[in-house]
Amino acid sequence: GESVGLHLPTLSVQEGDNSIINCAYSNSASDYFIWYKQESGKGPQFIIDIRSNMDKRQGQRVTVLLNKTVKHLSLQIAATQPGDSAVYFCAYPRGYQKVTFGTGTKLQVIP
Amino acid sequence: DAGVIQSPRHEVTEMGQEVTLRCKPISGHNSLFWYRQTMMRGLELLIYFNNNVPIDDSGMPEDRFSAKMPNASFSTLKIQPSEPRDSAVYFCASSFSGRARSDTQYFGPGTRLTVL
Repeated sequence: GESVGLHLPTLSVQEGDNSIINCAYSNSASDYFIWYKQESGKGPQFIIDIRSNMDKRQGQRVTVLLNKTVKHLSLQIAATQPGDSAVYFCAYPRGYQKVTFGTGTKLQVIP
Repeated sequence: DAGVIQSPRHEVTEMGQEVTLRCKPISGHNSLFWYRQTMMRGLELLIYFNNNVPIDDSGMPEDRFSAKMPNASFSTLKIQPSEPRDSAVYFCASSFSGRARSDTQYFGPGTRLTVL
């Protein structure tokens, strides 16, 4: 749905472990997905994207997995570092130019 | 590249006052977006421009909100009169052509507005 919520889901991960952040979407016609990272006091920053003709895409220390059957998206961060602490949003296009942002997940890295 | 520039970074004002937020998009980008972020509603699109022309302002909450883009390197979001419920972080973002399926939106650092 649209970006709403009082409480952000929080994921606490030990430094060096892998993180998995999940996102569910409702529109089966969605064909493009984006992950953004928002650090405290900053604007969202593009991390990685994936199109629906793929089920996996890898970047530097990040992997996005797409399961169209269950309409689920995940962002995996390998060897999580303190600098990865942020709020992570999945997003998808709504029409030609609009982008809908998910609620967000707060990642806390424990040193 | 300086990225998207927003000013001021913080604004504290009293209810009823006029507030003007400013944005300079990345040079060469033709699309500009204004968002508002609150804990209650998350990140909401207010309005966006293509080539300085407002395309969709359906997200603007009330007539108290207005946005302009007089040229390719400058946009303003104005709230008049401001109300406490307008307190939020306002982001400006720009992209090359605005196509959501191909062009990344680059966000500025935001303006944190507090209306007392």
